Amino acid sequence: NAGVMQNPRHLVRRRGQEARLRCSPMKGHSHVYWYRQLPEEGLKFMVYLQKENIIDESGMPKERFSAEFPKEGPSILRIQQVVRGDSAAYFCASSPYIGLQETQYFGPGTRLLVL
Amino acid sequence: SQQGEEDPQALSIQEGENATMNCSYKTSINNLQWYRQNSGRGLVHLILIRSNEREKHSGRLRVTLDTSKKSSSLLITASRAADTASYFCATERSSNTGKLIFGQGTTLQVKP
Repeated sequence: NAGVMQNPRHLVRRRGQEARLRCSPMKGHSHVYWYRQLPEEGLKFMVYLQKENIIDESGMPKERFSAEFPKEGPSILRIQQVVRGDSAAYFCASSPYIGLQETQYFGPGTRLLVL
Repeated sequence: SQQGEEDPQALSIQEGENATMNCSYKTSINNLQWYRQNSGRGLVHLILIRSNEREKHSGRLRVTLDTSKKSSSLLITASRAADTASYFCATERSSNTGKLIFGQGTTLQVKP
């Protein structure tokens, strides 16, 4: 059973470009979470999705950021018109559809650098 | 703002010694989890302790939870150089959707 997969692992963008980060949860997991980690800091929650639904997006910036988890395919975190402050590591985590008190399994992260 | 706060922020010990890290939080929780992160890498889940549990063991790890003080501790016994990493506590709140609130982390260095 492969773990949570994220790609790309590293992404370089110039200011104003778009960044698309992909996350494939573990097999059988239908809950996906996105977190952002700034240098020397802990992770901060961004959004929680189930298949085709956004459950909690309280941590998402109001503009330029969006997320989806379609019926088929990976979850996508999209950042439009990136700025230098978006440079960070973005982690995806998944958990199974069993209940709320489940371990979240994290992917290796995508490190975004905005030039 | 982050719910969890770890202390110390940094800890340096010799191989073989024990390392203790503490975490405090502010609201009621369903569970508290500890993760390890090696430099530039992803997070590895270490242990989950539920709100009705007081202590849990896993190998060289021992976690305690005191809900009256809203605090937890992670003890690593007989540390090894390979334990060098950042350690984060994360809480899942009682009224929550399952999202985790992370602390700032403790950076542990174990010298050989």
